[in-house]
Amino acid sequence: AQSVTQLDSHVSVSEGTPVLLRCNYSSSYSPSLFWYVQHPNKGLQLLLKYTSAATLVKGINGFEAEFKKSETSFHLTKPSAHMSDAAEYFCVVSDYGGFKTIFGAGTRLFVKA
Amino acid sequence: EAGVTQFPSHSVIEKGQTVTLRCDPISGHDNLYWYRRVMGKEIKFLLHFVKESKQDESGMPNNRFLAERTGGTYSTLKVQPAELEDSGVYFCASSQDGGLIDTQYFGPGTRLTVL
Repeated sequence: AQSVTQLDSHVSVSEGTPVLLRCNYSSSYSPSLFWYVQHPNKGLQLLLKYTSAATLVKGINGFEAEFKKSETSFHLTKPSAHMSDAAEYFCVVSDYGGFKTIFGAGTRLFVKA
Repeated sequence: EAGVTQFPSHSVIEKGQTVTLRCDPISGHDNLYWYRRVMGKEIKFLLHFVKESKQDESGMPNNRFLAERTGGTYSTLKVQPAELEDSGVYFCASSQDGGLIDTQYFGPGTRLTVL
């Protein structure tokens, strides 16, 4: 069965420092993995997706994520946080086993000036 | 290009009343999804339309929820009668191909409060 665990409900960083949002997944099949971001009063926006091509995936706004099958992880990183990155981030898995889209609980990112 | 729109943005109703949420997908997207996020919980899949047909409605919580997509364009999600546990944010998303790697485009959500 599919599952997604976002290891931190809240992450706080200072502007200009690196961002790490952690995600572990469970999937019986080759999964597709996504990161979405939601800013207040906005819809979820796709940051990046992994679909069994390159394991290091680059997304919008300087974000990237690395698919590590041995660790069943898909952590989201950014070298330098910006105030506009403050939002809630969702890790998502889809696979052909359940043919469903499963969301993590979300990680709220705070960026301090 | 217009994104996915949802109406209303907020709805406050009393237990036992009926509420209808509307979603307008991106033009040309055959696939339309409904999701729900109850306070403090994960976003959960409710159902998936391909054009006007229900492809998968396994996430619908009970028969108080009815989703329709007449003509394969906009969709409505009706809750009748509403219960307290139905409170949450209801998201709609649409996609072109519907495959597992296809990007879903989300609307801003409708925040439903049942008193």
